[in-house]
Amino acid sequence: NAGVMQNPRHLVRRRGQEARLRCSPMKGHSHVYWYRQLPEEGLKFMVYLQKENIIDESGMPKERFSAEFPKEGPSILRIQQVVRGDSAAYFCASSNSPGLSQETQYFGPGTRLLVL
Amino acid sequence: GNSVTQMEGPVTLSEEAFLTINCTYTATGYPSLFWYVQYPGEGLQLLLKATKADDKGSNKGFEATYRKETTSFHLEKGSVQVSDSAVYFCALGNDYKLSFGAGTTVTVRA
Repeated sequence: NAGVMQNPRHLVRRRGQEARLRCSPMKGHSHVYWYRQLPEEGLKFMVYLQKENIIDESGMPKERFSAEFPKEGPSILRIQQVVRGDSAAYFCASSNSPGLSQETQYFGPGTRLLVL
Repeated sequence: GNSVTQMEGPVTLSEEAFLTINCTYTATGYPSLFWYVQYPGEGLQLLLKATKADDKGSNKGFEATYRKETTSFHLEKGSVQVSDSAVYFCALGNDYKLSFGAGTTVTVRA
């Protein structure tokens, strides 16, 4: 029973390039959450998606960041025109129930993004 | 807003030593509190949780008590093993949003 998969595990981009981070939830899970961990800080909520819908994107930066969770395939976190301040670890979590489900969020290993 | 502050690391201990990691929080409403653990190369795993004041969460010899009066949720283990070496995150949850501390790296030496 595979857990939450994220790829790539490490990603290096130059300023101005695009970064695409992928998250495959656990089998049967239709709820995905993205978190970001900046250096020396805790994980911060970014966005909550269900299949084909964004439920809450209150933690997403207003510009350059977008997320999707299509009917088929993994969830994608996309960062356009990356800047050095985007360097962080990005974690994905999934759950099989909506709403008050924080205790059942299963986390992936994270993608470490480094912007040169 | 919600925030979590936990003891800075790294923490290095000998096997069978007592471990405590301090965690305090600021929150609106009545959040649930959690400890997550991340072993090298793996995702965060839920270690234990408490959903209301005075609740004690426990798992694998680890314990933490939800103290509303001191807004704390300190993690303790009486006798650590080498296999407990990991990064530990304190977190609080309101609805589906989790807010995490910065993590504490613990290394246990044989």
